[in-house]
Amino acid sequence: DSGVTQTPKHLITATGQRVTLRCSPRSGDLSVYWYQQSLDQGLQFLIHYYNGEERAKGNILERFSAQQFPDLHSELNLSSLELGDSALYFCASSARKGLAGGREETQYFGPGTRLLVL
Amino acid sequence: AQSVTQLGSHVSVSEGALVLLRCNYSSSVPPYLFWYVQYPNQGLQLLLKYTSAATLVKGINGFEAEFKKSETSFHLTKPSAHMSDAAEYFCAVITYSGAGSYQLTFGKGTKLSVIP
Repeated sequence: DSGVTQTPKHLITATGQRVTLRCSPRSGDLSVYWYQQSLDQGLQFLIHYYNGEERAKGNILERFSAQQFPDLHSELNLSSLELGDSALYFCASSARKGLAGGREETQYFGPGTRLLVL
Repeated sequence: AQSVTQLGSHVSVSEGALVLLRCNYSSSVPPYLFWYVQYPNQGLQLLLKYTSAATLVKGINGFEAEFKKSETSFHLTKPSAHMSDAAEYFCAVITYSGAGSYQLTFGKGTKLSVIP
């Protein structure tokens, strides 16, 4: 158990709909990262928040948005959903804002939310 | 732009044999390199990372990787495969921009099977 929790575990919705995925980081971690894993696109980095502020942005579509709240949990909002958005979305957390340092810059990954768009 | 190439989407080894998973990268600036493992139906876990200190990096579960700048490679090895090593392995590269932001790119992954 990494200590990172994500809800819901599974989500089935229809094209055109909007969903919100939630991530709770490990206690004390200030960074939250979001990733998408699909058969077509592989593993992609979406976005990173550090202590409420956006730190880095990857291949995140304009239809997608994220935020990190004062209690440090994060939400990923996916709107105008398309069939191709079906994927495993997982988040990770780390203590600090970098990734290339020591133990405090190691990411711990949640189990993911599996999204199916029909 | 940066990229990561993992040679071989599937690799099979016998239990006790050497594990070698290949990763090559391209980057216009000095990179930081990572290997992650994903066990079936689980999230990712960091195996090891190169952060410009020692070029030979030791990770968890007996894995290690060597950064070779001249070959732009960061291959993952383990001397003796265990059944529990069966998983998918991802190589990733991070480069930082002057603004403090960064790019993070993953390879397509290599699925390792271990044959008893």
